[in-house]
Amino acid sequence: AQKVTQAQTEISVVEKEDVTLDCVYETRDTTYYLFWYKQPPSGELVFLIRRNSFDEQNEISGRYSWNFQKSTSSFNFTITASQVVDSAVYFCALRSNSGYALNFGKGTSLLVTP
Amino acid sequence: EAQVTQNPRYLITVTGKKLTVTCSQNMNHEYMSWYRQDPGLGLRQIYYSMNVEVTDKGDVPEGYKVSRKEKRNFPLILESPSPNQTSLYFCASSLVGSSPLHFGNGTRLTVT
Repeated sequence: AQKVTQAQTEISVVEKEDVTLDCVYETRDTTYYLFWYKQPPSGELVFLIRRNSFDEQNEISGRYSWNFQKSTSSFNFTITASQVVDSAVYFCALRSNSGYALNFGKGTSLLVTP
Repeated sequence: EAQVTQNPRYLITVTGKKLTVTCSQNMNHEYMSWYRQDPGLGLRQIYYSMNVEVTDKGDVPEGYKVSRKEKRNFPLILESPSPNQTSLYFCASSLVGSSPLHFGNGTRLTVT
């Protein structure tokens, strides 16, 4: 069975601080896909990034960066110089290549205050 | 505009009264899925479909039915709703199973 753990339930930071959201996953498959989604207070779910298991390159997109480490089964998400608009719930998700279910973590609620 | 459309957005019903939440996508996606979101539990998959007439159970399928007779539609059916099915429901679709999901805007269901 596959599992995604987001140990941080809630994080509160002051604007301009850097913040890292942790994601640890479990799967027996060698080929799998990891995702991050954002759910702002308005409620919609927004795709942020997908990473394949065979591509361990870290990715940076503006103030967002992702650190994928197969050795520790982690796919962490860092926001640099956080802004109030980053306040949202962030979900990490996993899909293995041997099945079609997509499993989400329980989410981390990030609050950025001015 | 590419989108996943769920209806209704809000629904209040009583225990035992059958209901259907519709989901339609206009992106010719093969993969569709239903999730429920509950506080402290995150998003849990109810059912998913890899293609027309192909559906499978997710983590929490009890009390739900789905059908995929056409590629664009994937309705969620609650034959006899109960209060523990009060939740926020999301439909989603993707080109294939490994592609990013496109989500609908959600349906907030209350069963009294």
